[in-house]
Amino acid sequence: KQEVTQIPAALSVPEGENLVLNCSFTDSAIYNLQWFRQDPGKGLTSLLLIQSSQREQTSGRLNASLDKSSGRSTLYIAASQPGDSATYLCAVTRVPGNTPLVFGKGTRLSVIA
Amino acid sequence: IAGITQAPTSQILAAGRRMTLRCTQDMRHNAMYWYRQDLGLGLRLIHYSNTAGTTGKGEVPDGYSVSRANTDDFPLTLASAVPSQTSVYFCATTGTRNTGELFFGEGSRLTVL
Repeated sequence: KQEVTQIPAALSVPEGENLVLNCSFTDSAIYNLQWFRQDPGKGLTSLLLIQSSQREQTSGRLNASLDKSSGRSTLYIAASQPGDSATYLCAVTRVPGNTPLVFGKGTRLSVIA
Repeated sequence: IAGITQAPTSQILAAGRRMTLRCTQDMRHNAMYWYRQDLGLGLRLIHYSNTAGTTGKGEVPDGYSVSRANTDDFPLTLASAVPSQTSVYFCATTGTRNTGELFFGEGSRLTVL
């Protein structure tokens, strides 16, 4: 059974700092990995999707990497801003595609001005 | 652009009552999912549907039922609500490009007393 773990559960950093959020998964037979952002009381918004054949994806100040063999992904946030404060979740789908995602419990990020 | 619409946004319900949470999408996505999100437990899959006319059980299906009569609608029914079903429920879809990218509704907060 696929298990997804995110460490730390919560993180507080000063504005402007670069930071890394970690995600690990137990079964390397994944189809893709996604990173989501969730603001309090809201739904999840997809940030980045990495297919199993890819090593990384970038969007603005965000960069996500994937190492299938070690079962790890990282989300790098450059020059953090207070508006980045949210919960970040990673999720994986297993082969084949279109099967439901398994989620980590998220990292709650606070960026202090 | 509506995307995924969930209703109601919030509901308080007496135990034993029947309740249907509605989910409608206008993106013509094939796959749809229902998740519940609970503090400390993260997001857990209840039921899913890969295409109209088919449904499948997720991680926590007991006490819930779904139907998928057409592409756009995927209602979730609690036949006889219990307090342990107090949660935030999210409907999600997977895009037609078959990348597995997941899109979420804004959620329905259900309290069972």
